[in-house]
Formats: sequence, C-alpha cells, structure tokens
Amino acid sequence: GAVVSQHPSWVICKSGTSVKIECRSLDFQATTMFWYRQFPKQSLMLMATSNEGSKATYEQGVEKDKFLINHASLTLSTLTVTSAHPEDSSFYICSAREGDSEAFFGQGTRLTVV
Amino acid sequence: QKEVEQDPGPLSVPEGAIVSLNCTYSNSAFQYFMWYRQYSRKGPELLMYTYSSGNKEDGRFTAQVDKSSKYISLFIRDSQPSDSATYLCAMSSNAGKSTFGDGTTLTVKP
Repeated sequence: GAVVSQHPSWVICKSGTSVKIECRSLDFQATTMFWYRQFPKQSLMLMATSNEGSKATYEQGVEKDKFLINHASLTLSTLTVTSAHPEDSSFYICSAREGDSEAFFGQGTRLTVV
Repeated sequence: QKEVEQDPGPLSVPEGAIVSLNCTYSNSAFQYFMWYRQYSRKGPELLMYTYSSGNKEDGRFTAQVDKSSKYISLFIRDSQPSDSATYLCAMSSNAGKSTFGDGTTLTVKP
C-alpha cells in the first residue's frame, strides 16, 4: 500500500506553546488529507478535511483558530495546535488519498501537554 | 443513533479460530467500505477496501458487504496471536470523508 509518514511520532510540550505535526505522502499525490483525533479506547474523530491549495473544512465543534491546517502541496499537510492546553493531549492521526482511492493513514502523533 | 455501529467487544478467541467482526450502518449513501487494523499506539492500517456489495478475499481475510441489509463483515481465518489488535470498520460516500465505527478489540490466545 501507499506510504504516509507522520512526524513527530510523539511530542511533549508546555501549556501555552504551539506544536506542529507534519503529514507526508511519500509515493503518491495526496489530493485530500484528513486529520483525526483519537482518545484512549475510542474511535477516530474527524477534525478536518483539507484539499491541496484550498482552506480546510472543519468538523462541527473543532476550533479552526486553534487547530491550524495547511495543505500547501500535494505531498504535505501540517496541523498546528496553537496555545496548547492539557486537554489537547491526544493521539492525532492523518490520512491521505489520491483522487477517489482509498485513504492511507500515518502512524500517528501522541501529543502530551504538560 | 450513530451512523456506524460496531460492537466494541472485547473479543477473545483461541489461535486458529475463525473470527467474525461486523458493523451496521444507517446511511444508504455509503459506497466504500473499509476495514482497518490498529495496534496499540499506532495509526490504523488498511486491511480491506471494498466498493459496493459483494465479497473480497485477501489471504486469511474476507470482507463482505450487504448493502441491502446495511451490514458489513470481516472474517479472519486461522487467526494468529499477531492478529490481536483493534479492528475498525469505516465507510464513505463518493465525497470521500470516512465515518468510523468504534472498533472491536480482538485478542487471539496462543
């Protein structure tokens, strides 16, 4: 299957700081990327959908000013958690797809805000 | 009511058993049906991808989709301890955004 690389795999940051997570498609052009959040023992909750070159579409209840998404190229999307707080601690996962094909997931980023 | 319902388990089977996992859904617009496997602290890994109704087989895995009943299944034959993980069903319409089940935790005991 296609490869999606997510970086970093884990990060610890201080409350009030910002954290950037990268999602790269290594061997295909990701026309659409999805960002999810997953709490322990729970399923993935879609946060936003981004198409290359356009603004992300956020799901209801997701603060777009707090979770900044940039999809500037066909191989890279970034999620920036701004002014992070302990309640933002979670597992963040991206997925990417080319056209109407199936989506492939990154390995996830575990964010801990202290 | 959730759009996708999946029994969270946990499900525990002996090695070599046939495992049956399933999901039901309510949105008739769903056209694409996926099964993912997720190990602890890892991202989901795509196992099966099916369009519309029918069966699809890949090695020890068989996916079935019955759109008339809005019911999908994943069968694992000759289950192995390495199959122990959480299995997530997911579905999407042509718009591409996937809706996930809550996942079923499977343990295969040696």
